[in-house]
Amino acid sequence: QITLKESGPTLVKPTQTLTLTCTFSRFSFTTTGVGVGWIRQPPGKAPEWLALIYWDDDKRYSPSLKSRLTITKDTSKNQVVLTMANVDPVDTATYYCARTFSRDFYFDYWGPGTLVTVSS
Amino acid sequence: DIQMTQSPSSLSASVGDRVTITCRASQSISSDLTWYQQRPGKAPELLIYLASRNRNGVPSRFSGSGSGTDFTLTISSLQPEDFATYYCQHTYSTPLTFGPGTKVDIK
Repeated sequence: QITLKESGPTLVKPTQTLTLTCTFSRFSFTTTGVGVGWIRQPPGKAPEWLALIYWDDDKRYSPSLKSRLTITKDTSKNQVVLTMANVDPVDTATYYCARTFSRDFYFDYWGPGTLVTVSS
Repeated sequence: DIQMTQSPSSLSASVGDRVTITCRASQSISSDLTWYQQRPGKAPELLIYLASRNRNGVPSRFSGSGSGTDFTLTISSLQPEDFATYYCQHTYSTPLTFGPGTKVDIK
């Protein structure tokens, strides 16, 4: 059974850097086509796509957040890390990681999400 | 960026009702449209991809149609577990965008 799980701080102060880790199982970046993305969802709002990374290290970012985001992968650990610099209270949201495949750009498996609150 | 809209934003329906949700893209996206279901406190779940292809295990009462800019999700006979929020997402290219959602609740 494919699983993903997000981990990271639940509370971050404004201007700090947020680092989130997605740890997954039952698939691997050694498989051609595999990708993992990050999506966030502010309370009561629609999901917002943030970033994607593929098995071949192709990286895609939301243009509106690109200057603040970095996505990396660790193939040996089955992990993807997202960093977001200079956070603001508007970044308060549930952050999800999810699997995609073959640049189809839809997400077939999602983690349960982690709520991150940005507040001083 | 491609913008997605959905209508209605919410609807009330009864078990057994036929429900239709519409999603519109700001430009043609061929059939590159995905539907998700999200229950409260849970992650979105993939229902339909490429506009009309049900994910394995998704009940046949869910169906998708459309191409270009206009798409529809239909639930042929609403079941108690279908009360949730439904989102469309285009998969045409990055940046990816989601619709604002349609909340389906009990009448």
